[in-house]
Amino acid sequence: GAVVSQHPSWVICKSGTSVKIECRSLDFQATTMFWYRQFPKQSLMLMATSNEGSKATYEQGVEKDKFLINHASLTLSTLTVTSAHPEDSSFYICSARQGEVQSLHFGNGTRLTVT
Amino acid sequence: GQNIDQPTEMTATEGAIVQINCTYQTSGFNGLFWYQQHAGEAPTFLSYNVLDGLEEKGRFSSFLSRSKGYSYLLLKELQMKDSASYLCAAMDSNYQLIWGAGTKLIIKP
Repeated sequence: GAVVSQHPSWVICKSGTSVKIECRSLDFQATTMFWYRQFPKQSLMLMATSNEGSKATYEQGVEKDKFLINHASLTLSTLTVTSAHPEDSSFYICSARQGEVQSLHFGNGTRLTVT
Repeated sequence: GQNIDQPTEMTATEGAIVQINCTYQTSGFNGLFWYQQHAGEAPTFLSYNVLDGLEEKGRFSSFLSRSKGYSYLLLKELQMKDSASYLCAAMDSNYQLIWGAGTKLIIKP
């Protein structure tokens, strides 16, 4: 089955630093990758949609200069949380889709804690 | 606007059957997904329905009625490991997923 690898699984960083999260589709080419954020006991919140070779589309309220998304290839997308603050602490999950009407394959998520 | 409704929480007994309902309103429709999410983990795919009717997959079945904007996930022979949140998501005409808030299912012995 389709596998999406997300790294790191968890990270603790200090306020003001930047953190990069990688999302890789291991055995398929992902036409589209999605980045979600999930706070405790809440549902997934879509942050942005990225297509290979083009700029990401950010959801309303998500700062594109703070959450930098790069989708350099059909198998890799990265999310960089710049100048992290404690309120950015959350569970970040990526997902990848092979075609338009296909189920999403999720990475295992990254738990970010900003101190 | 686009909207997904599902119950916040349900409780059921081990070995029993539970049905989790989901109603949706989307701009266009390209299918209805169910995902399972255990606490602290990423969601895992359970089912996809795009045609009316019931799709059975082992202990889990999913039903769709497009005319009613309604789906349900049916879990049989409940096991303790089925305790999780169940997310309903509808795909709109732009192939974007609209997510429900999830139903937390609590299984009691």
